[in-house]
Amino acid sequence: GIQVEQSPPDLILQEGANSTLRCNFSDSVNNLQWFHQNPWGQLINLFYIPSGTKQNGRLSATTVATERYSLLYISSSQTTDSGVYFCAASQTGANNLFFGTGTRLTVIP
Amino acid sequence: ETGVTQTPRHLVMGMTNKKSLKCEQHLGHNAMYWYKQSAKKPLELMFVYNFKEQTENNSVPSRFSPECPNSSHLFLHLHTLQPEDSALYLCASSQDPGGAGSPLHFGNGTRLTVT
Repeated sequence: GIQVEQSPPDLILQEGANSTLRCNFSDSVNNLQWFHQNPWGQLINLFYIPSGTKQNGRLSATTVATERYSLLYISSSQTTDSGVYFCAASQTGANNLFFGTGTRLTVIP
Repeated sequence: ETGVTQTPRHLVMGMTNKKSLKCEQHLGHNAMYWYKQSAKKPLELMFVYNFKEQTENNSVPSRFSPECPNSSHLFLHLHTLQPEDSALYLCASSQDPGGAGSPLHFGNGTRLTVT
């Protein structure tokens, strides 16, 4: 299956700072999603973004499918942004969504 | 009630017990999934059901037995589990069969501990 790699593995930010999380994938994809897992284990879908750019409040995401990467931007970070951010992708023609190992974000006040 | 609901939230069971995990989605989706999340490992897809028919079994041991009576309900029956099966089990749903073209929505998960 497709390989999904995320970087950095861990990130510590001061509240109010901005950050960029990266997701690289090994093959062409028809499905790319970003998720946030809070400290209680709940996984929230942030973006469905197989290509292009989307914005939702302080978060935005860009996927450049031809270069096989996606970026998640977090601006003006808040302590509630803490948790693990996962990227997941599936290959064109496949149904299985493969997850990366995540970026653990800690925002300190 | 909205979203994807999983019960129980926590489960402790012995290796000889039989238990079931339940998932219900209130989103009108056509596909449902079981994922396993173990410490230090990526989420692993276990089973996929599209329109209540199983379309994927990701080489899951037979001690895990899924059941999907309709598009809104999904069960995972557990028997003779091993301690290494301890993990967070997550149910998810999506509008499109196979999930390839639509967002995935997760429940809160069941934290399973096998003693």
